[in-house]
Amino acid sequence: DGGITQSPKYLFRKEGQNVTLSCEQNLNHDAMYWYRQDPGQGLRLIYYSQIVNDFQKGDIAEGYSVSREKKESFPLTVTSAQKNPTAFYLCASSTQGTGLEDYGYTFGSGTRLTVV
Amino acid sequence: AQKITQTQPGMFVQEKEAVTLDCTYDTSDPSYGLFWYKQPSSGEMIFLIYQGSYDQQNATEGRYSLNFQKARKSANLVISASQLGDSAMYFCAMTSNSGYALNFGKGTSLLVTP
Repeated sequence: DGGITQSPKYLFRKEGQNVTLSCEQNLNHDAMYWYRQDPGQGLRLIYYSQIVNDFQKGDIAEGYSVSREKKESFPLTVTSAQKNPTAFYLCASSTQGTGLEDYGYTFGSGTRLTVV
Repeated sequence: AQKITQTQPGMFVQEKEAVTLDCTYDTSDPSYGLFWYKQPSSGEMIFLIYQGSYDQQNATEGRYSLNFQKARKSANLVISASQLGDSAMYFCAMTSNSGYALNFGKGTSLLVTP
């Protein structure tokens, strides 16, 4: 079945270390997204990519970096510059269209990052 | 810029009763889409219902319906005949043809009691 795989589900890192979160999709979606969720909060957009080798900053991009070398993959690196990296990270993908349809947004199951 | 507001941090409803979760939005885009997602404690995001800004009729999906009032910029989710399994966080979100990323509200925590 098609879907989005995020790994690992739980991740622990020491403060000051960079860490990369994996996101892979086999839905043939053009667009991919990274969101951050803090307890009791909504999802905030970190980065998004509408096409291979291109990506744009979202609302809270500082301290994060991404790459989009393949259509299927959109890894997120949490750098040591991110002041409060402990959070739940969700990856998503969608189709793109010329009109307003629901674009088939699909979410991964998330990675819970804890920095100690 | 788009803004989604969910004013109810938490809601209680008794099993088998109906419940309405509020969502208001603000956008300058003439075309946009409105979504509701359910997030159980496991963290996955489950798509519930979609409403396009030009849709004439309110969207319905099983026990879920979206009460879309365009002039008031509201898109409330109505869950009929609540079940214990409906206990979760519920998020309203929107997008438009000027940007594909979903923009989320802060969510409403729903607890269904026996």
